Amino acid sequence: DAKTTQPPSMDCAEGRAANLPCNHSTISGNEYVYWYRQIHSQGPQYIIHGLKNNETNEMASLIITEDRKSSTLILPHATLRDTAVYYCIVRGLGGGGADGLTFGKGTHLIIQP
Amino acid sequence: GAGVSQSPSNKVTEKGKDVELRCDPISGHTALYWYRQSLGQGLEFLIYFQGNSAPDKSGLPSDRFSAERTGGSVSTLTIQRTQQEDSAVYLCASSIDRGGVQPQHFGDGTRLSIL
Repeated sequence: DAKTTQPPSMDCAEGRAANLPCNHSTISGNEYVYWYRQIHSQGPQYIIHGLKNNETNEMASLIITEDRKSSTLILPHATLRDTAVYYCIVRGLGGGGADGLTFGKGTHLIIQP
Repeated sequence: GAGVSQSPSNKVTEKGKDVELRCDPISGHTALYWYRQSLGQGLEFLIYFQGNSAPDKSGLPSDRFSAERTGGSVSTLTIQRTQQEDSAVYLCASSIDRGGVQPQHFGDGTRLSIL
């Protein structure tokens, strides 16, 4: 699976849009971009994933650049409950052996009141 | 809807005892994963079940760890003769398929403390 790079931390004011970047310059054609987050003392929570088109669901939007080397997760109206560590992961289909996820350091997003 | 359920949420036990952790995956999810997360660390993959296939045990750290999945649904992770280094949060996740496309959905884990 391709390696991803994220800033270690970000602040965002409550009610504003939080834009979390992720670089995945070595992504290959069959690899998807996934975003998870982990709130303290809880299990990781799936947010969204995409291949090459932008995606939107009830939680967030995912913008993937045309060359697929980077992406941005957008939380449109951040609330205090969105404070968490956000993980960007790139994974391909199958891959054999374990399909376990590997989380990097992620971005610690802090929503300020 | 019902998510992945794990029990107990917390378990404290003495070194040398056996422990059993339970995971109820989301109904209809054929893939089930166990992970371990130590304090401040990332996820450590332990074992993977897919349907009726033989499990992928490649991540189990020692032969004290075992897991089973009965009827393609509920799974139990057993740790025998626990050691202090086994203290961690044990997370279970399920997915609707294999192949990495569909996302994994996690429970809130069992926090295991070995005294």
